[in-house]
Amino acid sequence: EVQLVESGGGLVQPGSSLKLSCVASGFTFSSYNMHWIRQAPKKGLEWIALIYYDSSNKYYADSVKGRFTISRDNSKNTLYLEMNSLRSEDTAMYYCAKKALAYWGQGTLVTVSS
Amino acid sequence: DVVMTQTPPSLSVAIGQSVSISCKSSQSLVYSDGKTYLHWLLQSPGRSPKRLIYQVSNLGSGVPDRFSGTGSQKDFTLKISRVEAEDLGVYYCAQTTHFPPMYTFGAGTKLELK
Repeated sequence: EVQLVESGGGLVQPGSSLKLSCVASGFTFSSYNMHWIRQAPKKGLEWIALIYYDSSNKYYADSVKGRFTISRDNSKNTLYLEMNSLRSEDTAMYYCAKKALAYWGQGTLVTVSS
Repeated sequence: DVVMTQTPPSLSVAIGQSVSISCKSSQSLVYSDGKTYLHWLLQSPGRSPKRLIYQVSNLGSGVPDRFSGTGSQKDFTLKISRVEAEDLGVYYCAQTTHFPPMYTFGAGTKLELK
C-alpha cells in the first residue's frame, strides 16, 4: 500500500525558515517524480514544486521560486521542501504527492504569523 | 499559463441523484504523445485529495463506476450517477499536460446534500 507521510510543519514568524519532510513507502520511491502541493485555508489547490526521480530536474511555481527548495534522498525514501523567507501568504496545508497526483499524503500545516 | 474553469462552484444534491461538473481549459490539453492529461480529484471534508479519474476517463484504483469522465481538447465533464453520502466534498479538475511550467487546478466544485 502506498503511503506518504508529511511532517515538519508548525507556527513560524514571517521571514523565518522551515523544512518539511515526506516519507514514502509501498512503492519504489527512487523511480518516481514527486511533488509538493499546498492549500491555503478555505482555498483551492496550488502546485508548488516537482523533482524528478533522480533529482536531475526541479521545477517551481513562480510564487515560491528563489525561496523554496525541493530535494530528495532516495536512500531514505524521503522528499523534502526547504522553505526560506516565509510570508503570511505561505500559510497552508502542504501535501506531497506521487507522479500524476495518483497518491497524496495527509498533509502538514504551516502557519506563518507574528 | 493554462487556466482551468470549473462550473458550477457548488451543487446541492439529493442522495441517489445524478450530477455533472464541467471543467474548461484555456488551451487544448492534448499532449504531443496524443494523450490528454486531465484528471479529477475529490477532497472529502477534512481529508487530503484523492485522484478519481486520470487522463479524462480512466477510473482510479478502487473508484466506483458511478463516476465517469468525458471530454476532449478543452472541454471536460465529470458525471456522478446515483450520488452517495461518501461522494460529498470538493471536486477539482487538474491538468498536467502543460508542464513545465506548472500543474494547474480548477477552483473546485463543492458537492453538498440538499
